[in-house]
Amino acid sequence: AQTVTQSQPEMSVQEAETVTLSCTYDTSESDYYLFWYKQPPSRQMILVIRQEAYKQQNATENRFSVNFQKAAKSFSLKISDSQLGDAAMYFCSYSGNTGKLIFGQGTTLQVKP
Amino acid sequence: KAGVTQTPRYLIKTRGQQVTLSCSPISGHRSVSWYQQTPGQGLQFLFEYFSETQRNKGNFPGRFSGRQFSNSRSEMNVSTLELGDSALYLCASSNQGSFQEAFFGQGTRLTVV
Repeated sequence: AQTVTQSQPEMSVQEAETVTLSCTYDTSESDYYLFWYKQPPSRQMILVIRQEAYKQQNATENRFSVNFQKAAKSFSLKISDSQLGDAAMYFCSYSGNTGKLIFGQGTTLQVKP
Repeated sequence: KAGVTQTPRYLIKTRGQQVTLSCSPISGHRSVSWYQQTPGQGLQFLFEYFSETQRNKGNFPGRFSGRQFSNSRSEMNVSTLELGDSALYLCASSNQGSFQEAFFGQGTRLTVV
């Protein structure tokens, strides 16, 4: 069975600084997708970034980028120039052949002004 | 384009009762997935419907059921409610399945007393 692990329950970063959230996963599938979702206090899950496993190039969306290491089964999220609005819970998730999303336990990110 | 709409937003029910939650996906999306979010268990997959058929099912008891209508709207039903069913229930819609970008609703907060 596939699993997703986020080992950092809480992280904090100074406004305008850079922070990296860690995620590891386990799977025997070769074709899958990885995602980072953000859940602010409003509770709505918002997709931050998506990575197809067959693509070697790391995905980037403005201030958000990932470091995808397929062999190591690692998928970290880097947030550059952190803003107060980035404060939220971040979930790493996996989607494979079953089509369902498997989520990690989440990392609460605090941004200090 | 309207987002994913979940109703009601909040619900309080008594043990033993049943409840029905509704999810209207983004227009044109055929896949609707349901997730349960609790502090202890995190985000867990309940089931996915695609074109009115249940395509995937998570590891939940038979008290949890769902259906999808021809207009892609989906309902989730929980019978014989237990205190442990108190959770945030999230619905996600996508065009083909969770391996594509899934758009989440704001959730229904169910409290069982």
